[in-house]
Amino acid sequence: AQTVTQSQPEMSVQEAETVTLSCTYDTSESDYYLFWYKQPPSRQMILVIRQEAYKQQNATENRFSVNFQKAAKSFSLKISDSQLGDAAMYFCAYKSAGANNLFFGTGTRLTVIP
Amino acid sequence: KAGVTQTPRYLIKTRGQQVTLSCSPISGHRSVSWYQQTPGQGLQFLFEYFSETQRNKGNFPGRFSGRQFSNSRSEMNVSTLELGDSALYLCASSSYNSGANVLTFGAGSRLTVL
Repeated sequence: AQTVTQSQPEMSVQEAETVTLSCTYDTSESDYYLFWYKQPPSRQMILVIRQEAYKQQNATENRFSVNFQKAAKSFSLKISDSQLGDAAMYFCAYKSAGANNLFFGTGTRLTVIP
Repeated sequence: KAGVTQTPRYLIKTRGQQVTLSCSPISGHRSVSWYQQTPGQGLQFLFEYFSETQRNKGNFPGRFSGRQFSNSRSEMNVSTLELGDSALYLCASSSYNSGANVLTFGAGSRLTVL
């Protein structure tokens, strides 16, 4: 079974600084997708960024970028120029190419300090 | 385009009762998935419906059931409620049930069992 591990329960970052959230996963599959979702206090899970395993290029979305290391099964999220609105729980998730269910990590609570 | 709508947002039940939660997906989305989120177990996949058929099921007892209607709206039912069923129940919709498609989540239904 696939497992997703987030080893940082809590992280904090100064406003305008950069922070990196870690995620590792375990799978025997070769075709899969990785996601970072953000869950603010409003509870709604919001997609931050997606990475296809077959792509070597790291995905970027504005201030958000990932460092995808397929051999190491590592998928970290970098948030640049952190803003107060980035404060939330961040979940790393895995999805097989042939299925639609997500396997989530335990989450990292990010605090942004003004 | 309206997002994923879940009702009710909050509800309180007592042990032994049953509950039905509703999820209206994004227009055009045919896949609806359900997740349970608790502080202890994190985010766990319950089941997925695509074109009115259950396509995948997580490791939950038979007290948890669901269905999908022809308009893609989905309901999940929990019978004989237990205290441990207290959780945030999240619904997610997507266009397809595999591949690169992204799951869009609703704001969840917060169930409290007394």
